[in-house]
Amino acid sequence: AQSVAQPEDQVNVAEGNPLTVKCTYSVSGNPYLFWYVQYPNRGLQFLLKYITGDNLVKGSYGFEAEFNKSQTSFHLKKPSALVSDSALYFCAVRGSRSGTYKYIFGTGTRLKVLA
Amino acid sequence: DTGVSQDPRHKITKRGQNVTFRCDPISEHNRLYWYRQTLGQGPEFLTYFQNEAQLEKSRLLSDRFSAERPKGSFSTLEIQRTEQGDSAMYLCATPGGAWDEQYFGPGTRLTVT
Repeated sequence: AQSVAQPEDQVNVAEGNPLTVKCTYSVSGNPYLFWYVQYPNRGLQFLLKYITGDNLVKGSYGFEAEFNKSQTSFHLKKPSALVSDSALYFCAVRGSRSGTYKYIFGTGTRLKVLA
Repeated sequence: DTGVSQDPRHKITKRGQNVTFRCDPISEHNRLYWYRQTLGQGPEFLTYFQNEAQLEKSRLLSDRFSAERPKGSFSTLEIQRTEQGDSAMYLCATPGGAWDEQYFGPGTRLTVT
């Protein structure tokens, strides 16, 4: 069965400091991994995706994520946090096997960047 | 604005009533997903369409839920005999773009009283 875990309900970080939002997953076969962001009163927006290739994936707004197959993790990172990064972040996974359509989302991590 | 629209944006209904939501996806996207999101949770997969074919449906759904995409364009999600536990945000999404990312609509917030 597919699953995603986001172990932290909330992450607080000072503006200008690096941030990490954690995600681990379980899926049969190779994973397709995603990060989405949800700002208050706005819909979910795509940040980045890992399919194959380089383990470090770069996405929108300066975010990047590192795929670690041995640890089944896909942590979201940013070198220098901005107050405007404060939002709810969701990790998602889908299996890559033919006929697999279902996306599984984590419960979300609220990021609070303090000025 | 992702180009995916949903109607209505808010729906308040009494327990036992039927409700229907509509999703209009980005026109060139032939795949469509429905999700349900409750407070403090991530989106939960409900069903998936490729064109007009419903290829997967969550086993978590009871028979009270049904979805259609009759012409492979817009889609409807109907909930019959609503229960208070159905109160949630119902999201529609269509994959596309260079990374096959999902474009989410703004959602329909359902409140069952």
